[in-house]
Amino acid sequence: DTEVTQTPKHLVMGMTNKKSLKCEQHMGHRAMYWYKQKAKKPPELMFVYSYEKLSINESVPSRFSPECPNSSLLNLHLHALQPEDSALYLCASSQDWVQPQHFGDGTRLSIL
Amino acid sequence: AQKITQTQPGMFVQEKEAVTLDCTYDTSDPSYGLFWYKQPSSGEMIFLIYQGSYDQQNATEGRYSLNFQKARKSANLVISASQLGDSAMYFCAMREPYNQGGKLIFGQGTELSVKP
Repeated sequence: DTEVTQTPKHLVMGMTNKKSLKCEQHMGHRAMYWYKQKAKKPPELMFVYSYEKLSINESVPSRFSPECPNSSLLNLHLHALQPEDSALYLCASSQDWVQPQHFGDGTRLSIL
Repeated sequence: AQKITQTQPGMFVQEKEAVTLDCTYDTSDPSYGLFWYKQPSSGEMIFLIYQGSYDQQNATEGRYSLNFQKARKSANLVISASQLGDSAMYFCAMREPYNQGGKLIFGQGTELSVKP
């Protein structure tokens, strides 16, 4: 079992739906990350939160909206997604920017 | 700019044998960190091992060791006594300097298959 918990594990949604991905960690880590990963490819960084503030947005389309309600939680709000947004979405956390990132199991997202 | 290269898209190894997964990197920054992650088909990314650029010794974690050759800018992962459960995608990654965002840069990955 990973120490970073992501829900749901699978999500199928239509292009007009609104849904949210949730990530939780209780390791006291102060940095949290969202990645998108296509099959057989490396993860691509989307967002970084440091001390609950957004520090990096890798020019992600506005249909993806991150939120960090507190130091343990990270959400990714989804709205009006496109079929090409179908992917594995990984959340990660680390003590700080130096320490290794620990990943959750991911959410497999399919857009119909 | 930093770059990570993994030149082996796929590799096969016999169970109980050792295998080396190659990783080369390029950076002009003297301070950097190198990481290896394992990703089984189920999807989770599992942190395996870390090597800092100033570390004098090669990192080891159980059956995993990192063959760090700084002058050659290589950080190969060695897995000893391969097991069937080692079959997975393996990613080498390097951390960017903090003043450039501190992001992880991943290689393209090597898919390892362990044969019984």
